[in-house]
Amino acid sequence: KAGVTQTPRYLIKTRGQQVTLSCSPISGHRSVSWYQQTPGQGLQFLFEYFSETQRNKGNFPGRFSGRQFSNSRSEMNVSTLELGDSALYLCASSLAFSGHGTYNEQFFGPGTRLTVL
Amino acid sequence: AQTVTQSQPEMSVQEAETVTLSCTYDTSESNYYLFWYKQPPSRQMILVIRQEAYKQQNATENRFSVNFQKAAKSFSLKISDSQLGDTAMYFCAFMKHADGANSKLTFGKGITLSVRP
Repeated sequence: KAGVTQTPRYLIKTRGQQVTLSCSPISGHRSVSWYQQTPGQGLQFLFEYFSETQRNKGNFPGRFSGRQFSNSRSEMNVSTLELGDSALYLCASSLAFSGHGTYNEQFFGPGTRLTVL
Repeated sequence: AQTVTQSQPEMSVQEAETVTLSCTYDTSESNYYLFWYKQPPSRQMILVIRQEAYKQQNATENRFSVNFQKAAKSFSLKISDSQLGDTAMYFCAFMKHADGANSKLTFGKGITLSVRP
C-alpha cells in the first residue's frame, strides 16, 4: 500500500505570494491533518479534515486554509506569505473510524519544505 | 489545553548502550494517548511507541519501552542496545481520546539523539 504523499517536496516563494500544498492520504484513509514544523515553534497543528469538513483547527491566522476533496486528498493554502511561514509542512492521514475505544494512528508524509524569501 | 514538555534538547549515547529520553505533559483529560515519534534526517515522522493512559502496563516495542507515570504526568522512552540507525529527533506527543473523532497531536519540542559508533 502506498504511503502518504505530499507535493511538491520543495518550494521557494517570495513574500506576498500565495502557495498551495497537496497531500494524498493512504488509500482508505478519511482524515487528513496538517502540521507546521519550524525550529523555533516545533510542530504545531494547523487543521484536520474529515469527510470534506474541517473537524479541528489550530491557532493559526486566517491566511492558512485548507480543503479536502471527495477522494480524501487535501490541499493547504497559505496566502500573503510572510518570512515566518518558512517551514516544513507535514500532513498525516488516518482511517478515522469512530467508536468507543477507537484510536486513529497517524501516518505522516515526507513533508513539503517551503522557503519564503 | 494540553502541553508537552521535553526539557533536554540533545543527548548522545554510545552504540549498544541504553538511553532514556524524558517527557512531561499537562492535561485535565482523564483518557488520552501518549506517543513517541522518531524523525530521522529524511524528515519522515515514524511512530515508535504508543501508550493508552487507562493502561497501567508500560508499552514495549522490541528495544523501545516507556515508563508511564500517570500521577506524575511523566512519559519517558528507554532505548536499549542503541543502534546507529536510532540517530534522529524524537518527539513526545499527546492525543485526547475522543472515540475516533479526534486526530490532533500535541507535540513536545523534540530531542536530538545521536548514537556514537
